[in-house]
Amino acid sequence: KNEVEQSPQNLTAQEGEFITINCSYSVGISALHWLQQHPGGGIVSLFMLSSGKKKHGRLIATINIQEKHSSLHITASHPRDSAVYICAVLSNTGNQFYFGTGTSLTVIP
Amino acid sequence: DTAVSQTPKYLVTQMGNDKSIKCEQNLGHDTMYWYKQDSKKFLKIMFSYNNKELIINETVPNRFSPKSPDKAHLNLHINSLELGDSAVYFCASSFMRKSSGNTIYFGEGSWLTVV
Repeated sequence: KNEVEQSPQNLTAQEGEFITINCSYSVGISALHWLQQHPGGGIVSLFMLSSGKKKHGRLIATINIQEKHSSLHITASHPRDSAVYICAVLSNTGNQFYFGTGTSLTVIP
Repeated sequence: DTAVSQTPKYLVTQMGNDKSIKCEQNLGHDTMYWYKQDSKKFLKIMFSYNNKELIINETVPNRFSPKSPDKAHLNLHINSLELGDSAVYFCASSFMRKSSGNTIYFGEGSWLTVV
């Protein structure tokens, strides 16, 4: 069993829809990251969270430390949001990142 | 300026060859990583170096040998390449502080194809 589980694995949405991607983890963490990887591209960090909620444009990330759960929301989705979204946690020993398997999002015009 | 840069971006080579992938970061981070991304997009840690010292060495074949000449560089050398080594390899860096979370920065990836 992976230390980090994401759902769904694949997601297709119509342009404009509200999207939620979920992440659950089983290890003690000091931070959680949401990463984005475009097809054939590199990986960029969208958010780093240790508590509460962060917002950047149409993206919102939340974390519930007690429940060991985080969500990434995309409002008014757009085809350019099509990418793989990866949840990663930094263990509270400070020396290892654990990654989810990613959620492949396709937004259809 | 690129924060974490990897070279080459694409590499096609024959089985049995030896190849290296280089990684450099200009962020002043003290920790660097190599990850392998499999066909299902799963990122798996291979190695981690903190201040040039190996701190994570997951179960990878000993044909893979990381080398860190200084804390801004972590190169990956692969001997006797096999078909199963075909993957995307990502270098990353961060600060190593146990008391706080740290943003991890990734290189653009190196697409290795072994034929």
